[in-house]
Amino acid sequence: AQSVTQLDSQVPVFEEAPVELRCNYSSSVSVYLFWYVQYPNQGLQLLLKYLSGSTLVKGINGFEAEFNKSQTSFHLRKPSVHISDTAEYFCAVSDLDKGAQKLVFGQGTRLTINP
Amino acid sequence: GAVVSQHPSRVICKSGTSVKIECRSLDFQATTMFWYRQFPKQSLMLMATSNEGSKATYEQGVEKDKFLINHASLTLSTLTVTSAHPEDSSFYICSATRDMNTGELFFGEGSRLTVL
Repeated sequence: AQSVTQLDSQVPVFEEAPVELRCNYSSSVSVYLFWYVQYPNQGLQLLLKYLSGSTLVKGINGFEAEFNKSQTSFHLRKPSVHISDTAEYFCAVSDLDKGAQKLVFGQGTRLTINP
Repeated sequence: GAVVSQHPSRVICKSGTSVKIECRSLDFQATTMFWYRQFPKQSLMLMATSNEGSKATYEQGVEKDKFLINHASLTLSTLTVTSAHPEDSSFYICSATRDMNTGELFFGEGSRLTVL
């Protein structure tokens, strides 16, 4: 069975500082990987996804993530954060056999940007 | 871009009543939609996969008779929480995919259910 672990439940960062949100997954098959952002009382918005090809994936709002197969990681990074990046971030995985849409989510990381 | 809309965004009901939540894909046809439940400060848990024109596929531990799912058209799926109880209070989110190959899901805004 697949699982996703987001190692940090909360990450406080000062504005304009860099940030990395960690995500590790376990799966016995090839996977698709995603990062979603959730603002309070809203649904999820896709930040970026890895399906195949280049392991460095660039997404919206200046975020990027790198797929590392040997370490089974898909960490999310941004070089300089803004107050508006304050939100909950979810890493998700789906395996190719079950279809790209049946996602397993991590526990989420609450990113708080302080002025 | 693709938009998925949920209604209502918030609903408060009395214990024992049933509540229906709608999920619509506004600018594309969705043969498959997904329903999730999210407890406060927790992740999303997949409840069921809604298939247009056929029965929904429920995840293990989700009561089919409690959470009725109907996907009557390519743009609408509904989740009905029957005989709701306070423990059913939660944030319910739907998602839909336009292309089964790209892996991108579009999520609704979510519906917060409070059962008194």
